[in-house]
Amino acid sequence: GENVEQHPSTLSVQEGDSAVIKCTYSDSASNYFPWYKQELGKRPQLIIDIRSNVGEKKDQRIAVTLNKTAKHFSLHITETQPEDSAVYFCAAFRGGYQKVTFGIGTKLQVIP
Amino acid sequence: SAVISQKPSRDICQRGTSLTIQCQVDSQVTMMFWYRQQPGQSLTLIATANQGSEATYESGFVIDKFPISRPNLTFSTLTVSNMSPEDSSIYLCSVERDTSYGYTFGSGTRLTVV
Repeated sequence: GENVEQHPSTLSVQEGDSAVIKCTYSDSASNYFPWYKQELGKRPQLIIDIRSNVGEKKDQRIAVTLNKTAKHFSLHITETQPEDSAVYFCAAFRGGYQKVTFGIGTKLQVIP
Repeated sequence: SAVISQKPSRDICQRGTSLTIQCQVDSQVTMMFWYRQQPGQSLTLIATANQGSEATYESGFVIDKFPISRPNLTFSTLTVSNMSPEDSSIYLCSVERDTSYGYTFGSGTRLTVV
């Protein structure tokens, strides 16, 4: 079955610096890779996603890159702000909702 | 995207009892999903609920422990039965997004079993 590894598990950055979170997956049939942000006590919310036919996607300060050959994808947050502090989860979807696997999560702390 | 109302938002329950969690969606959806998030952990799929058929459970989860109802295309319930402290978790329902893959999550139910 699919195995999604996410690292680091915790990440502290100074406000204004960049943060990078990486995930690797094992199932080459996975074709959709979203990132979710979960603030303390709140629901996970989709922040950006990428399909397997795309290598990079940007949305303001957030970007996701995908390397299908190496089976890894990364979340990049630039100019971090304190409100970026949260737990971030990556996920890999195969065949729509046929199989969904989440990463373990990364707790990001942005220090003012 | 769909708006999901989940209740209760939290509960403290005695061991051995059962709790039913409700999930109401403001639009019709084919698939609804129930997840468990143990403290400080990731999201684990419990089951997929399709209207008109039995829920499909993931490995490690059984219907006797987590019975699910899906009476129509906008509503589902998850019951946590015969609870023990190990069932203390956040339970989340989710639905397929309107226009793409991925989930929209409900607000979650924080369950504490004492």
